[in-house]
Amino acid sequence: DGGITQSPKYLFRKEGQNVTLSCEQNLNHDAMYWYRQDPGQGLRLIYYSQIVNDFQKGDIAEGYSVSREKKESFPLTVTSAQKNPTAFYLCASSIDIVSGGHMNTEAFFGQGTRLTVV
Amino acid sequence: KQEVTQIPAALSVPEGENLVLNCSFTDSAIYNLQWFRQDPGKGLTSLLLIQSSQREQTSGRLNASLDKSSGRSTLYIAASQPGDSATYLCAVRKRDDKIIFGKGTRLHILP
Repeated sequence: DGGITQSPKYLFRKEGQNVTLSCEQNLNHDAMYWYRQDPGQGLRLIYYSQIVNDFQKGDIAEGYSVSREKKESFPLTVTSAQKNPTAFYLCASSIDIVSGGHMNTEAFFGQGTRLTVV
Repeated sequence: KQEVTQIPAALSVPEGENLVLNCSFTDSAIYNLQWFRQDPGKGLTSLLLIQSSQREQTSGRLNASLDKSSGRSTLYIAASQPGDSATYLCAVRKRDDKIIFGKGTRLHILP
């Protein structure tokens, strides 16, 4: 099946440890995104990548790092510098395609990883 | 800085009623606007995508409109059902490919 896969679904880590969240897509999408969701906060953009080997900071990049070595993969590392890492993390991807004479840039999301730091 | 606001934050309506969810954004220079649905503890499911050149999109009982000049979008749900209960999120895509979300509207359809 085509789609976006985030793993694991639940992740527990001790405070002070770095942890890497996986996001893989087989949709051949160019752009990929990482968001963090906290109760009552909506989704906040951490990092995004428009193309392989390139990425930009979002609104809350401090304490996080990413890499985009392959088109289908965009892992997110939550470092010990992130002050409040416990949250629900969502990955997304999108592609610009022409459909019916219009540019279609729909974004698709994975099922999320819930990270708990104790 | 682009800001996206969704009103109301929460809404409860009896089953069968038609309802409207609102989304507003501060910068009209958007590429598109997308409505999503999120069930508790789950990822986001795309409902409707409206390109900046379009005025509305329809899918089944859902209709989304876009007024880019006034920075507003609405999601209309006809004949609501208990299965429509979820959080509905609005997101705008900027020209630099950033996708900015509102905080969502939590919808509860009363059986």
